[in-house]
Amino acid sequence: QSALTQPPSASGSPGQSVTISCTGTSSDVGGYNSVSWYQQHPGKAPKVMIYEVSKRPSGVPDRFSGSKSGNAASLTVSGLQAEDEGDYYCASYAGSNKYVFGTGTKVTVL
Amino acid sequence: EVQLVESGGGLVQPGGSLRLSCAASGFSFSSYWMTWVRQAPGKGLEWMANIKRDGSEQYYVDSVEGRFTISRDNAKSSLYLQMNTLRAEDTAMYYCARHVGSIWDYWGQGTLVTVSS
Repeated sequence: QSALTQPPSASGSPGQSVTISCTGTSSDVGGYNSVSWYQQHPGKAPKVMIYEVSKRPSGVPDRFSGSKSGNAASLTVSGLQAEDEGDYYCASYAGSNKYVFGTGTKVTVL
Repeated sequence: EVQLVESGGGLVQPGGSLRLSCAASGFSFSSYWMTWVRQAPGKGLEWMANIKRDGSEQYYVDSVEGRFTISRDNAKSSLYLQMNTLRAEDTAMYYCARHVGSIWDYWGQGTLVTVSS
């Protein structure tokens, strides 16, 4: 149950795009289409932004998109806005009713 | 409106015990798996434990297996986390979350546990 690997930070100017990677193994990310992404603002609870690799919950802007290839997933935020700044975590089902989160990425809007 | 409200956190000495509670409202509690997630200060999220709708199955991250116990009382719409033999590394904000499919769609605001002498 090792944490999924994410880059510590990512940044972009308003209107630009930023992509965050999430690397796991064939036992988690690569083995299931159950990758989700969470946004967390300081002092707040996480909020789901993407589920099942690429699906968006209602209310999440279509600027947020997800994909997966092999043991790696990614989240892309297009048309960056100031409110997109925060920490982002991926999560994956890891089999046997267990789950694992990523190490987290701090997104800065320059 | 779905609400999850955690309580029971506080300062505890190493080796001590603590019981966290999560009061749920606004949805049919017994219809959902529930989860505890923790976040150490300045660190990332860590999935801790899941419990099935009727409480008959529980699953844990390896680091707390045997020390922590997740349970629920569907009649009271409440989720619990009994934490024993606490260590300094258990210091964290503990969140309860509603588990649907493969995601957590509603989260509480968390309760802080500090393990220190």
